Amino acid sequence: NAGVTQTPKFRILKIGQSMTLQCTQDMNHNYMYWYRQDPGMGLKLIYYSVGAGITDKGEVPNGYNVSRSTTEDFPLRLELAAPSQTSVYFCASSYSQGQVGYTFGSGTRLTVV
Amino acid sequence: AQKVTQAQTEISVVEKEDVTLDCVYETRDTTYYLFWYKQPPSGELVFLIRRNSFDEQNEISGRYSWNFQKSTSSFNFTITASQVVDSAVYFCALRDTGTASKLTFGTGTRLQVTL
Repeated sequence: NAGVTQTPKFRILKIGQSMTLQCTQDMNHNYMYWYRQDPGMGLKLIYYSVGAGITDKGEVPNGYNVSRSTTEDFPLRLELAAPSQTSVYFCASSYSQGQVGYTFGSGTRLTVV
Repeated sequence: AQKVTQAQTEISVVEKEDVTLDCVYETRDTTYYLFWYKQPPSGELVFLIRRNSFDEQNEISGRYSWNFQKSTSSFNFTITASQVVDSAVYFCALRDTGTASKLTFGTGTRLQVTL
């Protein structure tokens, strides 16, 4: 049981480049989330999804896009990377019941130069 | 809107000291869930404990204990006899019961335990 798998673990992008952060879960969770963690800060929600075909913006969605074509996959797309997007990105998944915690991926450390 | 405040940015203690990490939250929900996560230097997020808003029973698990007080909207975490391996960033988080049951994090408290 792999849980939540994120790839890549590290990436350096040049300003203006684009990339996709991959996230896959094998627990049949219907809810999935993308968070970013800036140095010395907590995690901020970028986008979330309550099921295949359904996505919505979180607290800090600008500069990102997501899709949810299957229950398992929830990729995060960065278009025209900017230095402000330098951060650690965490994907998470959960059942719908609130009393259950999230399962987090191991994170992707992204640097935009 | 949900809000979680961890006023302590960084705490340094000597091994074997007890340390309490503070967490204060704000929510309009009557049912909600509170969590503590640990983030060691390796960077992953490790789940420690969950509390339901309707369960104010405090808990002790080994060297860890939690104090949930709904009247003061606080969910504090205590490590007894701290160890170097406890050095990490600790996050308090609040999960609502709205759409997608989103998790709102505090800014974290960095705990440094030295010999």
